[in-house]
Amino acid sequence: AQSVTQPDIHITVSEGASLELRCNYSYGATPYLFWYVQSPGQGLQLLLKYFSGDTLVQGIKGFEAEFKRSQSSFNLRKPSVHWSDAAEYFCAVGSSGGGADGLTFGKGTHLIIQP
Amino acid sequence: DAGVIQSPRHEVTEMGQEVTLRCKPISGHDYLFWYRQTMMRGLELLIYFNNNVPIDDSGMPEDRFSAKMPNASFSTLKIQPSEPRDSAVYFCASSPTGAKQPQHFGDGTRLSIL
Repeated sequence: AQSVTQPDIHITVSEGASLELRCNYSYGATPYLFWYVQSPGQGLQLLLKYFSGDTLVQGIKGFEAEFKRSQSSFNLRKPSVHWSDAAEYFCAVGSSGGGADGLTFGKGTHLIIQP
Repeated sequence: DAGVIQSPRHEVTEMGQEVTLRCKPISGHDYLFWYRQTMMRGLELLIYFNNNVPIDDSGMPEDRFSAKMPNASFSTLKIQPSEPRDSAVYFCASSPTGAKQPQHFGDGTRLSIL
């Protein structure tokens, strides 16, 4: 069974500082990987996705993530955070089998931005 | 373009009552997913449909939960009878055909069972 681990429940970063959110996955084949962001009272918004090819993927809002097969990781990064980045971030893995499939989510990382 | 639309946004009811949550997927999307989010368990897939047909309902917690998709533009998730432990945020998501298509989420229904 596939699984996703986000080891950091909370992370506090100063505005303007760099950010890295960790994500480790367990999946038997090549996974489809996603990062979503959730603001309070809102649904999940897709930040970026990885299916194949270049292991460094760019997303919206200045985020990027790097797929490392050897480490089973898909960490999210941003060079300089803004106060508006404060939110809950979810890493998810999807099946690479035929057709769509439900996503398996990590427990999320709550990002706090200090002024 | 309209996103995934869920109603109601908030629902408060007493235990034992029937609860119906509604979802309108993005037009043209033929996959529809229902998820539940709680503090303890995070986001869990309950059930998903393809072309209005339930494909995997292994995440539905028990027989009190049922989901239907009578047509391509409407789905319901029903809880009968409801219990306090069903309190959660329920999300609906849709995606186009294809394993590489990301899912688009609605804003969720916050359900509180007293």
